[in-house]
Amino acid sequence: QVQLQESGPGLVKPSGTLSLSCAVSGAFIGTNDYYSWVRQPPGKGLDWIGQIHLSDGNTNYCPSLQSRVAISIDKSKNQLSLQLTSVTAADTAVYYCARHSGFSFPTWGQGTLVTVSS
Amino acid sequence: EVVLTQSPGTLSLSPGERATLSCRASQSVESRFLTWYQQKPGQAPRLIIYSASSRATGIPDRFSGSVSGTDFTLTISRLEPEDFAVYYCQQYIPSFSGYTFGQGTKLEVK
Repeated sequence: QVQLQESGPGLVKPSGTLSLSCAVSGAFIGTNDYYSWVRQPPGKGLDWIGQIHLSDGNTNYCPSLQSRVAISIDKSKNQLSLQLTSVTAADTAVYYCARHSGFSFPTWGQGTLVTVSS
Repeated sequence: EVVLTQSPGTLSLSPGERATLSCRASQSVESRFLTWYQQKPGQAPRLIIYSASSRATGIPDRFSGSVSGTDFTLTISRLEPEDFAVYYCQQYIPSFSGYTFGQGTKLEVK
């Protein structure tokens, strides 16, 4: 059974770069899988950030974040990465990674809270 | 821009009652692109329904999904105490190969 675990700094300064990792266990990265990053500001709904196709590294991003976001994979470490540049307080959220099955996300990490503050 | 509008924002019901949650898409959506999630406080979302009407593994049969045109419905036939949570619909959007979520419906105990 695939398990996901997000990790990274819980505090990022405004205008800085948010960097998170998602460790994948129970599955070998390199299969024909898609993974997404999703975030949830405190007390608000879910926002899709972007996805990566593991077999070829192809990515797609939410249009409103496309200029600031990058998702990548490190097959040697069996993990995904998220980078979000030029962050502001509006980027404060719980960040989740999720594994796709078809067009739905059956597997999620537990999420990690990132606060943007000086 | 493709928008999913969920209604009502909050639904107050009692255990044993029937819950009907709505998700309306601003444009035509293929049923296979529509998903429902349940989220409880402090937890990650949990997949409930995929392809508009297929129950995910381990989801009890009191949960059902249906579609009529661009209107998608999640029905919980007889509410159990553990069903009170926030429910989100999600849509895959082929035009940018991405996803969007509805704003959520909070199902609370009356």
